[in-house]
Amino acid sequence: DGGITQSPKYLFRKEGQNVTLSCEQNLNHDAMYWYRQDPGQGLRLIYYSQIVNDFQKGDIAEGYSVSREKKESFPLTVTSAQKNPTAFYLCASSIGASNQETQYFGPGTRLLVL
Amino acid sequence: AQSVTQLGSHVSVSEGALVLLRCNYSSSVPPYLFWYVQYPNQGLQLLLKYTSAATLVKGINGFEAEFKKSETSFHLTKPSAHMSDAAEYFCAVSAPAAGNKLTFGGGTRVLVKP
Repeated sequence: DGGITQSPKYLFRKEGQNVTLSCEQNLNHDAMYWYRQDPGQGLRLIYYSQIVNDFQKGDIAEGYSVSREKKESFPLTVTSAQKNPTAFYLCASSIGASNQETQYFGPGTRLLVL
Repeated sequence: AQSVTQLGSHVSVSEGALVLLRCNYSSSVPPYLFWYVQYPNQGLQLLLKYTSAATLVKGINGFEAEFKKSETSFHLTKPSAHMSDAAEYFCAVSAPAAGNKLTFGGGTRVLVKP
């Protein structure tokens, strides 16, 4: 089955710790995205990548970092600089970066701070 | 800059009644518009999208939406609600100048009463 997988489903972060959220897709999509969802709010774009080895900041990139070394993988690191990391994180991908392309979403990772 | 407003963060409907979820957008250029559904603790699933081919768009699960340029609206409807429609619904806009960056509304949570 083709799709997007995110792991882990739940992640706990200690004070001052960096944590990495995994996102993998086997849809052969060029573009990938990371969104943050807070309770009662819509999704906000953190980072996106239109092609391998290239990525751009979204609307709320501070405190986060990404890499895109492989087409199928787009991991997100939540650094200690992100002071309010508790949220639901969603990864998405699309065939290309055209604005009419549908973005397909993974099941999400819920990050909690201890 | 583009933006999306969803009127009503919560909507309660009786089973079998009409579902109407409101979405208004602002965009300096003709946009592409999307409706997504999210079930608890899951990712988003595309219901339908408008890409200028037809103003009335039919989607999955009996939902449809009508693009009205004069009203800058893209309201989502379903003639008869089913218990399985209980979920959160997000309207999103993507404008040509923004690449494939989606801007989401705040979401509307639908409760279906038996």
